[in-house]
Amino acid sequence: EAQVTQNPRYLITVTGKKLTVTCSQNMNHEYMSWYRQDPGLGLRQIYYSMNVEVTDKGDVPEGYKVSRKEKRNFPLILESPSPNQTSLYFCASSFNRASTDTQYFGPGTRLTVL
Amino acid sequence: SQQGEEDPQALSIQEGENATMNCSYKTSINNLQWYRQNSGRGLVHLILIRSNEREKHSGRLRVTLDTSKKSSSLLITASRAADTASYFCATQHGNRDDKIIFGKGTRLHILP
Repeated sequence: EAQVTQNPRYLITVTGKKLTVTCSQNMNHEYMSWYRQDPGLGLRQIYYSMNVEVTDKGDVPEGYKVSRKEKRNFPLILESPSPNQTSLYFCASSFNRASTDTQYFGPGTRLTVL
Repeated sequence: SQQGEEDPQALSIQEGENATMNCSYKTSINNLQWYRQNSGRGLVHLILIRSNEREKHSGRLRVTLDTSKKSSSLLITASRAADTASYFCATQHGNRDDKIIFGKGTRLHILP
């Protein structure tokens, strides 16, 4: 089944404890992206990647890191999480650029930073 | 800065009625997309309309695009309880075609 998977789905952590949220797609998509969704603010893009070893900042990249060593995986890293990073995170992928192609979204990761 | 903005923020209608949501944007676009999100879940792509298209249909969905007014509308005909969800428009970021911006969404509630 074609899908985007994220792990974990739910995470409660404490300030400053490094964490990684994994994202994997099995559709051989070139484009992958991370979004965060907050009440009243909608979805905001954190980072995106056009292809392996190519990443770029979205609109809210501060406090996050990503890597794209393989085409299928695009992990999101929070080196030192803070409470303002409490949010619902979505990974998405598309065969081509996001503006011209359908993006497929993962199920979301709900992160709480205490 | 937000590119697309949906209107209304929330909409409640009776099952069987038609639901219309609007999206306005600020700068010229090559295309516009609509997505649906069921509560707390990932977004699902509904339809993409290109700037040279005025109307597009997909099942009970009808999307229009008016580039002169910089606006789009999503019409859901004969609404069902399963249509209860949030609906987002997405437009490209300025002149860049490698990233898009989502609006804040319209929350649609279908009443039984």
